[in-house]
Amino acid sequence: DTEVTQTPKHLVMGMTNKKSLKCEQHMGHRAMYWYKQKAKKPPELMFVYSYEKLSINESVPSRFSPECPNSSLLNLHLHALQPEDSALYLCASSQPTTGTATQKLFFGSGTQLSVL
Amino acid sequence: GQNIDQPTEMTATEGAIVQINCTYQTSGFNGLFWYQQHAGEAPTFLSYNVLDGLEEKGRFSSFLSRSKGYSYLLLKELQMKDSASYLCAVRDSNYQLIWGAGTKLIIKP
Repeated sequence: DTEVTQTPKHLVMGMTNKKSLKCEQHMGHRAMYWYKQKAKKPPELMFVYSYEKLSINESVPSRFSPECPNSSLLNLHLHALQPEDSALYLCASSQPTTGTATQKLFFGSGTQLSVL
Repeated sequence: GQNIDQPTEMTATEGAIVQINCTYQTSGFNGLFWYQQHAGEAPTFLSYNVLDGLEEKGRFSSFLSRSKGYSYLLLKELQMKDSASYLCAVRDSNYQLIWGAGTKLIIKP
């Protein structure tokens, strides 16, 4: 199994809603990532979990709250989002990065989020 | 600051060869990646270079020159399905990925 599964594929939410994005992988990867991608732009790193511990938080607003319940699952809890948060949210996984080994990222198909 | 430059858009003909260039200035270097991304889909890994030289994988090849801060992705025998964005990303001294803005490749019949 070389897949990263994300749900839902599409999400429309109001600015007062609370929703969660889910990500799952069964490749034994111990690093998991959340990226945000706007149209025609590269992915922007939001959070990194390494061995289920939050290792990187790229100054993301607190209305985004990550959670890593176990080594296979990664969630992103959303609350009080703004219209400018509308984007494609990508989950990825890899082996933790050490040295110059490849540790390529495997991406999920993403959640297209629209905030009204 | 850290910077990766790629052309915004390129056009090529089905069956031809195209070279997509990437230049970078980063804080340290621990490898360079190329990813392919079709519209509305997730990026998929194409290649990885950490030493100078050419890495060949089927119709795709990637070249790296660390002294010049330069890489290219070479696509041969272009097919319509190769129409996509190609993202160059460099892993810096902190093992963080710095992404280029991507090159949109349009293949014409």
